[in-house]
Amino acid sequence: NAGVTQTPKFRVLKTGQSMTLLCAQDMNHEYMYWYRQDPGMGLRLIHYSVGEGTTAKGEVPDGYNVSRLKKQNFLLGLESAAPSQTSVYFCASSYFLWAALANYGYTFGSGTRLTVV
Amino acid sequence: GESVGLHLPTLSVQEGDNSIINCAYSNSASDYFIWYKQESGKGPQFIIDIRSNMDKRQGQRVTVLLNKTVKHLSLQIAATQPGDSAVYFCAEHLTGTASKLTFGTGTRLQVTL
Repeated sequence: NAGVTQTPKFRVLKTGQSMTLLCAQDMNHEYMYWYRQDPGMGLRLIHYSVGEGTTAKGEVPDGYNVSRLKKQNFLLGLESAAPSQTSVYFCASSYFLWAALANYGYTFGSGTRLTVV
Repeated sequence: GESVGLHLPTLSVQEGDNSIINCAYSNSASDYFIWYKQESGKGPQFIIDIRSNMDKRQGQRVTVLLNKTVKHLSLQIAATQPGDSAVYFCAEHLTGTASKLTFGTGTRLQVTL
């Protein structure tokens, strides 16, 4: 099925460990995004990409790095995990930047639940 | 409505009743709005959108109403079913040089039998 695939689905890290979350989309979308979702808060944008080889900071970028070496993949890295990074992370992709109307296909993955202890 | 704390507001409705979920948005210049449904353990799913030049839009069992005067939109679900149990949240899109998509905190809908 076409869509956005995130791996892994769950992960527990110790403080200071590093990890990479992978997002892959097969819809040939130019734009990709990483969000975090915390209890009682709306989705907050971490980083986004407007095309292969380009990335930009979002609302809450500190402590994260991203890379978009291939158009279909968008990686989110945590170099030194902190308990404040415990969250559910969602990747999304779209045909046009921020375009979320029905025919523009703003699609979310199923999320990665990350716990940092 | 919008949550200001750690816990989502919850709307509990009986199966077969109509549900109304509310959302307050922040920017009067937003050009369209989207409602999402998020089931437990899943990513947000698009339900319906409405452009700012409209007051009402209907889909299959869902209706979105937009009141620009008070910056409020609502999602009405007719004949609520157990499968409608989820968190619902709205998003607003701002166009132009400062284009962005901003998401609300959500409301949990619980459907009782």
